[in-house]
Amino acid sequence: AQSVSQHNHHVILSEAASLELGCNYSYGGTVNLFWYVQYPGQHLQLLLKYFSGDPLVKGIKGFEAEFIKSKFSFNLRKPSVQWSDTAEYFCAVSPLGNNRLAFGKGNQVVVIP
Amino acid sequence: GAVVSQHPSRVICKSGTSVKIECRSLDFQATTMFWYRQFPKQSLMLMATSNEGSKATYEQGVEKDKFLINHASLTLSTLTVTSAHPEDSSFYICSASAARGRLETQYFGPGTRLLVL
Repeated sequence: AQSVSQHNHHVILSEAASLELGCNYSYGGTVNLFWYVQYPGQHLQLLLKYFSGDPLVKGIKGFEAEFIKSKFSFNLRKPSVQWSDTAEYFCAVSPLGNNRLAFGKGNQVVVIP
Repeated sequence: GAVVSQHPSRVICKSGTSVKIECRSLDFQATTMFWYRQFPKQSLMLMATSNEGSKATYEQGVEKDKFLINHASLTLSTLTVTSAHPEDSSFYICSASAARGRLETQYFGPGTRLLVL
């Protein structure tokens, strides 16, 4: 079964700072990769996903993520965060051809105005 | 589009009773629905996958007789926690996708917080 690691559970930064959240997975085969976001009081929403092709994926709200197969990583980035980016961010992985998601523990990001 | 609702949003029950949680896809037909459980400060753990009209597939360690899943229509799946005990207290989240087997984006419901006294 696949597993997902997210480090630095709590991240606090100021507006306009750059954000990078790490995601590493362990799985022997080909995977599909996702980042979900949960804003306070709301349900999980898809930020971006990688299935195949260009390993640099652009998502909503200025977020992007890069799949590095050799490092089993799918790190999320945003060059300049806003207060409205305060949320919890989850990385998730599913095996190719299978929709069963394994989630990381999440990163609680707080952006200070 | 792609809205998923859950009902109730929170429920408190006595130990030994059964609780039913509904998951509905409001604006699309969900051939596959998933049920997750989330403990405080932990990640979502997949409990089971249900395809419309067939039996649910449970993840290892999840008791199928305790967590009954029914996916009777393309817009509704239910999770029944039978004979609930305090250790079943948790946050239960469903998701729905429009594809069976093929990879498709999952859309998540808002979750149901269960507290068993």
